Amino acid sequence: IVLTQSPVTLSLSPGERATLSCRASQSVSTCLAWYQQKPGQAPRLLIYDASNRATGIPARFSGSGSGTDFTLTISSLEPEDFAVYYCQQCSNWRGTFGPGTRVDIK
Amino acid sequence: EVYLEESGGGLVKPGGSLRLSCAASGFTFNNYRMNWVRQAPGKGLEWVSSISRTSSYINYADSVKGRFTISRDNAKDSVYLQMNSLRAEDTAVYYCARDLVPDTGGFPYSFDSWGQGTLVTVSS
Repeated sequence: IVLTQSPVTLSLSPGERATLSCRASQSVSTCLAWYQQKPGQAPRLLIYDASNRATGIPARFSGSGSGTDFTLTISSLEPEDFAVYYCQQCSNWRGTFGPGTRVDIK
Repeated sequence: EVYLEESGGGLVKPGGSLRLSCAASGFTFNNYRMNWVRQAPGKGLEWVSSISRTSSYINYADSVKGRFTISRDNAKDSVYLQMNSLRAEDTAVYYCARDLVPDTGGFPYSFDSWGQGTLVTVSS
């Protein structure tokens, strides 16, 4: 299963809405997670099973989708949200990651 | 609190070997599948390997199959990655990561806890 993410880079201002896309080469049902990674840090789990927020994740982060098309939405960007975001599928033995979307400050 | 600490990284020549360790604490280690994920400098995340809680199910990325071996010692709350025949393209930060939920024999799931990573550099 190959995951593609778009756009590669998203340039936005604080307070704006961010919409990130992840597309799978074949259906993964809802077995998809989203991670945030900041420079020099390990990734942090944001969303699992396509739409469930992980413990401690703010409500401005939401996930949706099923099958092959998924979306991570950040409703109103905070300064700490500028980072790289990865999707990952869990529908087979290989925990494939997407190539990432960088959200940077416009 | 869940804590994972990797060790064993360093500089190694092409063709050489290295053994990474990941010590876990703060949870019942033998209930969880464990994973290794790597990140080459300036690149994205790559899942490397996964081991079920009883070591019954072990899987590898195609890029490391036949060269890397994952193992665990539940008595020591540790997971390991033996890396042989190392190549320049194996240069990366290697993270160990825990599955979100206790292992029930399924696929690698979402990873809710990560170590800080250990850097492996393969260069002559």
